[in-house]
Formats: sequence, C-alpha cells, structure tokens
Amino acid sequence: GAVVSQHPSWVICKSGTSVKIECRSLDFQATTMFWYRQFPKQSLMLMATSNEGSKATYEQGVEKDKFLINHASLTLSTLTVTSAHPEDSSFYICSAKAATGNQETQYFGPGTRLLVL
Amino acid sequence: AQSVTQLGSHVSVSEGALVLLRCNYSSSVPPYLFWYVQYPNQGLQLLLKYTTGATLVKGINGFEAEFKKSETSFHLTKPSAHMSDAAEYFCAVSRYQAGTALIFGKGTTLSVSS
Repeated sequence: GAVVSQHPSWVICKSGTSVKIECRSLDFQATTMFWYRQFPKQSLMLMATSNEGSKATYEQGVEKDKFLINHASLTLSTLTVTSAHPEDSSFYICSAKAATGNQETQYFGPGTRLLVL
Repeated sequence: AQSVTQLGSHVSVSEGALVLLRCNYSSSVPPYLFWYVQYPNQGLQLLLKYTTGATLVKGINGFEAEFKKSETSFHLTKPSAHMSDAAEYFCAVSRYQAGTALIFGKGTTLSVSS
C-alpha cells in the first residue's frame, strides 16, 4: 500500500516550453502533497505544499507563476514548469500524506528528471 | 526553525562492518524524525521514523536508529553492511507537527566494499 506515482519519469524539452508533471497517490487519498526539487549531489528542497481544493503554499524564493501547482482531486497533484529554462533542469519529487490513518509519514514518488535544452 | 545536520557526506565501510550514519537535528517543537534511502535515479524510500514512544526504532533492511533528546541526535546504524546498502541516505525532520513538510539534511553517501 501507500504507493505514489509520478509521470513522466523523464522529460527533455526545449527552452521556453512548458512541462507538466503529475503526482498520483494510487491506493490512498491525499489531502496534502508536497513538491521537492533536488539538484545533482544535493538534498531535497521543498518547493511548495499542495492542498486539495485550495491554492498551493510556496516556499520563499520559489516563483509561483513559474511553477504552477494544481491539486484538483484527492489523488492527483500537478506541477507545471512554465517557460522552462536550462536552470530549471532538476529532479522533481513529490510526496503525499494520507488523508486518514497514518498521517505522520509522507510517501514519495519515484521522481521526474527534467532536462531543459 | 527546524534543521538537520548530517555529519560526513561520504561514509565507506567494508561488507560485514558496522554502519553508522550521523544525524543531528534542531527543532523548536518535539521532533518527528525520519531516515530515507535513495538509490540512483530513484525516489526516496522510508527506512524508519521516530514520532513518540520508544527511542530505539527499528526499520527495514536491518537498520535502526536511536533518538537521543539530550544529544539532539538520531544516528542510523546497521550491524553488518551489505553491498546492496550502498546508496544515499537522508535524515529529515518534520517542519512543524506530524505530517507537515520535511526538512532534509544534505545526505550521506554510503559506499560498501567487498
């Protein structure tokens, strides 16, 4: 149980295009999902907290107009990188917290590697 | 504000040797502490967690960690390393109460030699 998927796992795009990354909780409902970014050889940094049915809360320094987050259902959150540039190339990882039961643990997706050319 | 410090960015051990990965935390509230493992090009897998109760917690793959409030530490250990343990290990603390975003340490790369 408690499986989180991400799609796509890999994406290569041209500079200036937009990329959408999906995060799904497959066997549980998640009222809260988190989006992290990990640069090579570095730790995970929280980008934003996504709550179902409401606006995401962004961390300081993260551009909300560039990283659009939508959490339209209890099992799906999306991150759209708008007008991507090479410096946005990174490993994006989502996590989800269950709506009921064990709410102490976050379950992580496998990550999406974005390369912007 | 919560923070995590992992001492040693790289730890090398021989197969069968003791594994010790160090983690110290800073928290203004009773901490919820986690250890995650990350294999190359993969997401994070939870090894173990401390919330309340017993301070020695056992996790998967033979790992365990002990919460020491007086030392603000949550070190990860395994009595005997396997080659398959080679990976990146992250210590994390909940930002606020349980279920909130995690603050991660910088990670420790564990290498295991035969």
